[in-house]
Amino acid sequence: GESVGLHLPTLSVQEGDNSIINCAYSNSASDYFIWYKQESGKGPQFIIDIRSNMDKRQGQRVTVLLNKTVKHLSLQIAATQPGDSAVYFCAENSVSSYKLIFGSGTRLLVRP
Amino acid sequence: NAGVTQTPKFQVLKTGQSMTLQCAQDMNHNSMYWYRQDPGMGLRLIYYSASEGTTDKGEVPNGYNVSRLNKREFSLRLESAAPSQTSVYFCASSEDGGQPQHFGDGTRLSIL
Repeated sequence: GESVGLHLPTLSVQEGDNSIINCAYSNSASDYFIWYKQESGKGPQFIIDIRSNMDKRQGQRVTVLLNKTVKHLSLQIAATQPGDSAVYFCAENSVSSYKLIFGSGTRLLVRP
Repeated sequence: NAGVTQTPKFQVLKTGQSMTLQCAQDMNHNSMYWYRQDPGMGLRLIYYSASEGTTDKGEVPNGYNVSRLNKREFSLRLESAAPSQTSVYFCASSEDGGQPQHFGDGTRLSIL
């Protein structure tokens, strides 16, 4: 079936640098996308979302970019901190659907 | 404000035993969900309840049953546990479909 996938399973960055986590989706009908952060032993934590009528949305130190032409989603984290170390998941949905489809995740490691 | 609360946090079962996982949310959300997460993978939807009084199958419903007890509570039952059901189970809730889902911290279930 159609699914959301990630290009990089592990990303290592220096503290203070910017991080970019990428995600490809295949369902052209999806119109709602979410990024989650999951720390060890915890449930996924909502970071930021974006709807298909937008191509960029900013939060606190995070930015999500959506390129519908190539079905690509990215999460940018500015000035990455040790507390950002976690697994990050993208997920896709549609406004009328209850079924959130998750990618397999990218582990972000922040080097001190 | 606890958000989504899951009990128990850990459980070990023998093959063939039954078990009910409990979930409650205090955000007055209409929709609730059960997911499983296997090592190194994203979350897969087992069942969901769009609103009180309704339940629907997700991606991997076989071997599970659910009950939406009231608006706050949504339980997941394993009638005859199998080793393949060893996983971490997450409950989530959202205001409605196409809205951010908020997760509990999971139940870690091992079936021997």
